[in-house]
Amino acid sequence: KNEVEQSPQNLTAQEGEFITINCSYSVGISALHWLQQHPGGGIVSLFMLSSGKKKHGRLIATINIQEKHSSLHITASHPRDSAVYICAVKGSGGSNYKLTFGKGTLLTVNP
Amino acid sequence: DSGVTQTPKHLITATGQRVTLRCSPRSGDLSVYWYQQSLDQGLQFLIQYYNGEERAKGNILERFSAQQFPDLHSELNLSSLELGDSALYFCASSVGVTGGQETQYFGPGTRLLVL
Repeated sequence: KNEVEQSPQNLTAQEGEFITINCSYSVGISALHWLQQHPGGGIVSLFMLSSGKKKHGRLIATINIQEKHSSLHITASHPRDSAVYICAVKGSGGSNYKLTFGKGTLLTVNP
Repeated sequence: DSGVTQTPKHLITATGQRVTLRCSPRSGDLSVYWYQQSLDQGLQFLIQYYNGEERAKGNILERFSAQQFPDLHSELNLSSLELGDSALYFCASSVGVTGGQETQYFGPGTRLLVL
């Protein structure tokens, strides 16, 4: 079992729909990242969070440390949101600097 | 544009060969991270350098090595290449040393194809 599991693997939506992508992890963490990878391959960091909720434009990320779960929400989805969304976690060990990644969720938003 | 540059964008080579990938971090960032992204394994952390020193190692093969130079640019050397090394190689940078507890800025990647 992977340390970081994302669901769904693939998601197709109509423009304007509310999108939720989930990330569950099995280890203690000190931070969780949401990344966006566009079809061309470039990766952009969307959020880094260790508790609560963060919002940037139409994107909202939440994390529940006790349940080891995070969600990424996209409101009023648009075709330009089509991308792979990747969850990554940093372990809570003091010397553990590395990120462990989920396999990603491929989101397609149709006009 | 993240401010992180990587060269070359594409690289095609043969098995057994050696290649060098180059990364220049964002101005002011002291940490450089190397990642490998393959179709079957997804993104994997390879290695981190902070201000010229190795800080963390991930799933990096012994055939691979990296270094960070005084001007903070970094090079990832891949030798005795195998077909399975074909992948996208990303470099990322951040200001400090704490790795996963900072925002990392990713370069555009180098696509390596080993024939």
